[in-house]
Amino acid sequence: DIQMTQSPSSLSASVGDRVTITCRASQNIKSYLNWYSQTPGRAPKLLIYTASSLHSGVPSRFSGSGSGTEFTLTISGLQPEDVGSYYCQQTYSSPQTFGQGTKLEI
Amino acid sequence: EVQLVQSGAEVKKPGESLKISCKGSGYSFTTYWIAWVRQMPGKGLEWMGIIYPHDSDITYSPSFQGQVSISANKSITTAYLQWTSLKASDTAVYFCARPRASGSYFANAFDVWGQGTMVTVSS
Repeated sequence: DIQMTQSPSSLSASVGDRVTITCRASQNIKSYLNWYSQTPGRAPKLLIYTASSLHSGVPSRFSGSGSGTEFTLTISGLQPEDVGSYYCQQTYSSPQTFGQGTKLEI
Repeated sequence: EVQLVQSGAEVKKPGESLKISCKGSGYSFTTYWIAWVRQMPGKGLEWMGIIYPHDSDITYSPSFQGQVSISANKSITTAYLQWTSLKASDTAVYFCARPRASGSYFANAFDVWGQGTMVTVSS
């Protein structure tokens, strides 16, 4: 299995801040990396697919970058509704593993 | 509207069997893979396996192979996740999810999710 490691595991930031979450893959996954957000008690929501493509309806303050083994999710201008957990997922090979998550508090 | 609607919460005893469901609507059910994802209490997301309803082609994660069964009934546009003998460690929320594009799950993010089914296994 490809191991996905996120950092940090948790962070606290203020409204308006720029926040960056990193995801590292244990082997080259090209650009087959997705980002999801999740609030407690709800299903995950897709934010970014294939490393840098913004999913329809997702605010432009979210952006993704990277390829190979290192990827980042950036939130530019943090909003109160961005609180929750964020997960990366590789879809390069099966099983399509997720990172362990990053909990974002405001 | 494209949606996946899952069956309701379940409370079971260890050793009991269970089958939960995920009904797709608003799209061509047979041409999109459907995955199952586990989330244990307070923990992250785990990819369990995926099925192609068109021909019931299934891929399991090695971590879940032999522990659960995935199936689908395309006539009623429903996918299933089944256990024959539940354990306390099966207590979790289970999500079904559909990839963005039809025909393949390779390189394909999940953009449609069910609301989740909470399964509690306790004596």
